[in-house]
Amino acid sequence: QSALTQPASVSGSPGQSVTVTCTGISSDVSGHNYVSWYQQHPGTTPKLMIYDVRDRPSGVSNRFSGSKSGNTASLTISGLQAEDEADYFCCSYTTRGTVFGGGTKVTVL
Amino acid sequence: EVQLVQSGVEVKKPGESLTISCKGSAYTFTSYSITWVRQMPGKGLEWMGTVNPRDSSINYSPSFQGHVTISVDKSISTAYLQWSSLKAADTAMYYCARQNTALILWGQGTLLTVSS
Repeated sequence: QSALTQPASVSGSPGQSVTVTCTGISSDVSGHNYVSWYQQHPGTTPKLMIYDVRDRPSGVSNRFSGSKSGNTASLTISGLQAEDEADYFCCSYTTRGTVFGGGTKVTVL
Repeated sequence: EVQLVQSGVEVKKPGESLTISCKGSAYTFTSYSITWVRQMPGKGLEWMGTVNPRDSSINYSPSFQGHVTISVDKSISTAYLQWSSLKAADTAMYYCARQNTALILWGQGTLLTVSS
């Protein structure tokens, strides 16, 4: 199965909102509600930020939100902070397996 | 503390074999599948395969089927990732993760370097 498509990079100034999109084929993103998002700072282990399209694990800031429309899922970071600068990966889980997006580097200007 | 602990850094030569491990603790190991993820230097995350510890069933990514072997020993709460003949292209960080509908809990990663 093909990787999900993410923009290579997005950027924003502190306090702004940025949105990272994740586009997949119909059997992945649109066919299920099992889309998740991971944050990875350089040299660290990925961290789950959003699961099941829009749910946040305990301890994740409510500045992070997820949504889905058709075959595109989105991660929005509101009130951008310097610590949000990282790589973000979307992921879709299906009964056939798991597929990741290529990753998006979020830069805080 | 609920955690996945992976085996340590590996430096191997091409053609050598290797097994790395991922041990779960402080939770019922058979309640969740274990997924293996590859991250090559400077690159993204790649799903390798997922094993169900309850029945040892395995779902491989087509990209990795035949190149690696995933297994599990539920008696010691440990999953494994095995290579029979390593290549330089296997140089990467390998993560295990506990899977529900998302990868909720990650191991610390095992760094593998394959070089002659």
